[in-house]
Amino acid sequence: SQTIHQWPATLVQPVGSPLSLECTVEGTSNPNLYWYRQAAGRGLQLLFYSVGIGQISSEVPQNLSASRPQDRQFILSSKKLLLSDSGFYLCAGQRDSQETQYFGPGTRLLVL
Amino acid sequence: KQEVTQIPAALSVPEGENLVLNCSFTDSAIYNLQWFRQDPGKGLTSLLLIQSSQREQTSGRLNASLDKSSGRSTLYIAASQPGDSATYLCAVERDSNYQLIWGAGTKLIIKP
Repeated sequence: SQTIHQWPATLVQPVGSPLSLECTVEGTSNPNLYWYRQAAGRGLQLLFYSVGIGQISSEVPQNLSASRPQDRQFILSSKKLLLSDSGFYLCAGQRDSQETQYFGPGTRLLVL
Repeated sequence: KQEVTQIPAALSVPEGENLVLNCSFTDSAIYNLQWFRQDPGKGLTSLLLIQSSQREQTSGRLNASLDKSSGRSTLYIAASQPGDSATYLCAVERDSNYQLIWGAGTKLIIKP
């Protein structure tokens, strides 16, 4: 099975600062990769997904961007954080579009 | 080290039955516990979140309970429907760094 690694576990950043969250996958090659966000008291929202290196699709317009520089590496970034970017960010990997997604432990981001 | 276990791994029941899914965790020092639903080939849907100070949460036909002292949570589904068929995941948020520890899930099939 797959293992999804995310870091850092928690992050406190000032408004206007940059962001880089990293996700790496073990146990499979060429996975589909996903970034989700869960805002306080709300459900999960899909932010980005990637079916291969350099291929990124965005589900919602926002202040964030994603990149996939390597097969098993997915990075979530921002040039200038907003207060509304606070939340819990989950990375997921999937071997095939019809199979289960495996989720990482998440990163809790607080923008002050 | 926190470990989350879900039993059974799979469950198949006729439509209309009430059912219970189980989740157990080894460390009672949790921040909250969440139940999610995952449909085949899709992402997660957050169902219920129980804070560590709460005993249960209800949403429609779903009721989730939490007993921290025994390290257990149950998800009760009343009057099951074929549309309830999915994989149900339990995740515990640790008290220390707010990361999620995931159970392996219970695959539920409701037969018409």
